[in-house]
Amino acid sequence: DSGVTQTPKHLITATGQRVTLRCSPRSGDLSVYWYQQSLDQGLQFLIQYYNGEERAKGNILERFSAQQFPDLHSELNLSSLELGDSALYFCASAKDSSTDTQYFGPGTRLTVL
Amino acid sequence: GENVEQHPSTLSVQEGDSAVIKCTYSDSASNYFPWYKQELGKRPQLIIDIRSNVGEKKDQRIAVTLNKTAKHFSLHITETQPEDSAVYFCAASGYSTLTFGKGTMLLVSP
Repeated sequence: DSGVTQTPKHLITATGQRVTLRCSPRSGDLSVYWYQQSLDQGLQFLIQYYNGEERAKGNILERFSAQQFPDLHSELNLSSLELGDSALYFCASAKDSSTDTQYFGPGTRLTVL
Repeated sequence: GENVEQHPSTLSVQEGDSAVIKCTYSDSASNYFPWYKQELGKRPQLIIDIRSNVGEKKDQRIAVTLNKTAKHFSLHITETQPEDSAVYFCAASGYSTLTFGKGTMLLVSP
């Protein structure tokens, strides 16, 4: 157990819908990272938050957004869902900088039908 | 930005053999290189990492080497066991975020 929690574990929804994925970082970690992992694909970095502020953006679609709250938990919002958005979504947390170890949560498996 | 290439994409070995996975990176400013193991449907888990101030690090059957001049680093697993079967990801990070390689599926046959 990494200490990072994610909910829900599984999510099944229809095209065009909107969903919210939630992540709670390890105690003491200020950074939260979101990744997308599609079938047979590696880990695609989406976005990073540090202590409530957006710090870095990767290949995140405009239909996707995220935020980090004062208690440091983070939410990833996916809207106007398409079939191709079906994937495993991981969050990871780290103490501070990009060279601190990232600990991954168990992931949320999103299926868009 | 950083670009990480990882080879091979699949690697099959017999139990007890050694396995080597290689990665190259593009950004000379990168100074942190972790390796993650991911079993099917599970989270990636850190197995070893190395920082640019050392050339090699070992933890039991696992070792990582780093050549900053050539910008490549490698994972070495000795005496492989069936439970080592998984996908392994290398990554590199400097002042920006962690960039992952595409992964190597390691299959260890009994």
